[in-house]
Amino acid sequence: QQQVKQSPQSLIVQKGGISIINCAYENTAFDYFPWYQQFPGKGPALLIAIRPDVSEKKEGRFTISFNKSAKQFSLHIMDSQPGDSATYFCAARVYQKVTFGIGTKLQVIP
Amino acid sequence: KAGVTQTPRYLIKTRGQQVTLSCSPISGHRSVSWYQQTPGQGLQFLFEYFSETQRNKGNFPGRFSGRQFSNSRSEMNVSTLELGDSALYLCASSGGFGGAINNEQFFGPGTRLTVL
Repeated sequence: QQQVKQSPQSLIVQKGGISIINCAYENTAFDYFPWYQQFPGKGPALLIAIRPDVSEKKEGRFTISFNKSAKQFSLHIMDSQPGDSATYFCAARVYQKVTFGIGTKLQVIP
Repeated sequence: KAGVTQTPRYLIKTRGQQVTLSCSPISGHRSVSWYQQTPGQGLQFLFEYFSETQRNKGNFPGRFSGRQFSNSRSEMNVSTLELGDSALYLCASSGGFGGAINNEQFFGPGTRLTVL
């Protein structure tokens, strides 16, 4: 049972554009929602995270929007750069157990 | 601080064999979690250890097991390997205090297991 649904699975964006990745969850016990970035041959690295009592969090070009009532959250990458090309995972955590979305492979083309 | 290290980085085994993977967490971290990553299923939680005790477990068969030592290093073992066990196995460490706001997990580079 996939408790965190992520879309799209692949995304192509032009340099300077906005990349948007969406996630939805089912388990209302989740209390922490991180996003990870993974480059080929590397483990996932924490990008940005949010708690459900906050509706938006911004760090540089990366913004998480969180809609608790809809049980949805999204990652926006502003001014997307070729160096942002990677796979992005949304996740949801309850206690120490993290459930990941399927991943979105982002390609930013010049 | 050194990051999470995993050994070996690559491993090739045949069906029916068993394998042991090792993870050294970031110094001071007490929690180690293991994940299996495959193209079709994504990242799936295997289990989590804290202070030598398994605290959480995912939905994997009993062929997958793990342990944690007093220095927080962890090993996972897969017995009677199947072709479907081919995957990237990731280890993540954290302070381990569930519910803490900044109790982030830091991932190692993974061990790429190929079962022939």
